[in-house]
Formats: sequence, C-alpha cells, structure tokens
Amino acid sequence: DGGITQSPKYLFRKEGQNVTLSCEQNLNHDAMYWYRQDPGQGLRLIYYSQIVNDFQKGDIAEGYSVSREKKESFPLTVTSAQKNPTAFYLCASSIQGVAENTEAFFGQGTRLTVV
Amino acid sequence: AQKVTQAQTEISVVEKEDVTLDCVYETRDTTYYLFWYKQPPSGELVFLIRRNSFDEQNEISGRYSWNFQKSTSSFNFTITASQVVDSAVYFCALSEANYGQNFVFGPGTRLSVLP
Repeated sequence: DGGITQSPKYLFRKEGQNVTLSCEQNLNHDAMYWYRQDPGQGLRLIYYSQIVNDFQKGDIAEGYSVSREKKESFPLTVTSAQKNPTAFYLCASSIQGVAENTEAFFGQGTRLTVV
Repeated sequence: AQKVTQAQTEISVVEKEDVTLDCVYETRDTTYYLFWYKQPPSGELVFLIRRNSFDEQNEISGRYSWNFQKSTSSFNFTITASQVVDSAVYFCALSEANYGQNFVFGPGTRLSVLP
C-alpha cells in the first residue's frame, strides 16, 4: 500500500543526545515536510524539501537538521541544541506541480520525549 | 504573508446537532489552495477536502459541507447531524501557488460530540 511511514512511533531521548526520526514515502511525491505539534497547539513547519538534495528552513528550524538524499526519504535529526524537543512530530508529502498544489499526506507521527 | 485563523479553540455539541467550524485566511497570492484535515486521537492527519481559489462553489460530501467565500476570506466547515466519531481536532490549512511551496495550518478546533 502507498503511504508515508514514520518510525519509531515513540522515542525517548536523554538530554544532550541527538536523535533521528525516520520518514519514508512510496507515493513518488516530490515535496516532503516536517511539522512539530505541541499539546493543544497547531502544526508548525520545521523544514521542507521540494526536490532531492534541496531543503528550506521553516518557522522553527533552530535545533533541527534534515537531509534529502533520496526522493523517498526525509529524515529529521533533533540535535542537542533544540532546547525543548518534547513534542509530536509529523512528516508529510505532496505532489508539487506548476499547475496546482495537491493536498499533503501525513504519516502516523513520532512522539518524542526527553527524559 | 500567509496566515490561517481558527477562532474556536474547542466546541462541544450533543450528538445529532449541526456544528460549523470557522476558518479565516490571509494570503498575498491570487492563486491559492485551502484544505481541511481531521486529526483523531491516533494523531495522524486525515485529508478531508481541497479547494482552489478559482472555485467558490460550495461542496457537500455526505454529512460534511464546506462554504468558501473569497469576499470574507473564509472557508467554513459544517458537520450535519454530528456523531460521536466526529470527535477530533480539525485543522484548516492554506498553500500559496507562487509564494512558498508549503502548507500553513491554523491552530485547530477541538470538537467533542457527546452522546
């Protein structure tokens, strides 16, 4: 089945550690996104990528890094520089075209907790 | 700049009541796209509808209907005869065709449908 797979579903990190969240899609979508959601709040954009080997910072990129070496994969690294990383992280993808933007499809999310 | 406002933080209704979720947007683009997503307790965002800025026709899908009015920059969502399964957080989102290829989400409205 086509879709977006995020792993792991739950992740625990010790303070000072870097952790990487996985996001893989088999929808052949060009664009991929990472959002952060805090309790009771909306989604805030961390990074997005429209093509392989290219990505742009979103509204809250500080303390995060990404790579886009393959079309299917867009991993997010939460570095020790991120001061408050405990949150729910959502990965999404969409077709990007000249004619129109299509909807974004989302993964199941990763809940990261700093212990 | 692009912005989405959902003024209703939480709404509670009794089953079978109709409920309207409000969405107001700001954009500098003449071509843009509006979306509604549902986030059930599982966390994954489920796509409900996409509307482009050239199509102001209202849409009905079963118990769901959407009212798009460019004159007031609003894209409201109505659930008719609500059911307990409609309980979720609902997000309105905006994507601009020419200024930034990403999605901006509103803060969400938490809908609770009581039996």
